Amino acid sequence: SQQGEEDPQALSIQEGENATMNCSYKTSINNLQWYRQNSGRGLVHLILIRSNEREKHSGRLRVTLDTSKKSSSLLITASRAADTASYFCATGNTGFQKLVFGTGTRLLVSP
Amino acid sequence: EPEVTQTPSHQVTQMGQEVILRCVPISNHLYFYWYRQILGQKVEFLVSFYNNEISEKSEIFDDQFSVERPDGSNFTLKIRSTKLEDSAMYFCASSQEDPGHRTQNTIYFGEGSWLTVV
Repeated sequence: SQQGEEDPQALSIQEGENATMNCSYKTSINNLQWYRQNSGRGLVHLILIRSNEREKHSGRLRVTLDTSKKSSSLLITASRAADTASYFCATGNTGFQKLVFGTGTRLLVSP
Repeated sequence: EPEVTQTPSHQVTQMGQEVILRCVPISNHLYFYWYRQILGQKVEFLVSFYNNEISEKSEIFDDQFSVERPDGSNFTLKIRSTKLEDSAMYFCASSQEDPGHRTQNTIYFGEGSWLTVV
């Protein structure tokens, strides 16, 4: 079964630095979505990239998708303390929108 | 911005008791889902629901679980006889039907309901 695995598991940076998180998966997908989760809170949708797209931008977020390598990356530029959260990739397969989530990257941005 | 709302935010229940978690999906969405996240673990798919019936479910979603859309706005998850291992955060989610790209819709999640079974 397809599976998203993020690395690193944890990332600690200073405000203003860029944060890059990677996600790998095992089977072909229709789309890949990135979510943010503040501690004990809900999942906030960040960006969706389709399997025929290679790169998408949204504000300070940049997502890439390499279907040949079955991997995606999420780049947060000019990070802020408020970006501190866990970030998950989730892959969408054919059918009715079942998402398979990865293990997540815990990002800590220090002031 | 429209959002998925869930109640209760927290619930503590005795093992063996029935629990109903409630959700109000985004109003123009037609696909509804339940996911769960055991503390410190991955978010796991439980069930998807479309056109008043279950469209897909996972192995976790056994006979102890059921879903219902009792009216035009609510979507509920019922656990008939809770077990200790049902303790988790339960997320409701919804997505908008898009016939041209039905498998590529953004899925919006609620804030979750923390369930603790003691």
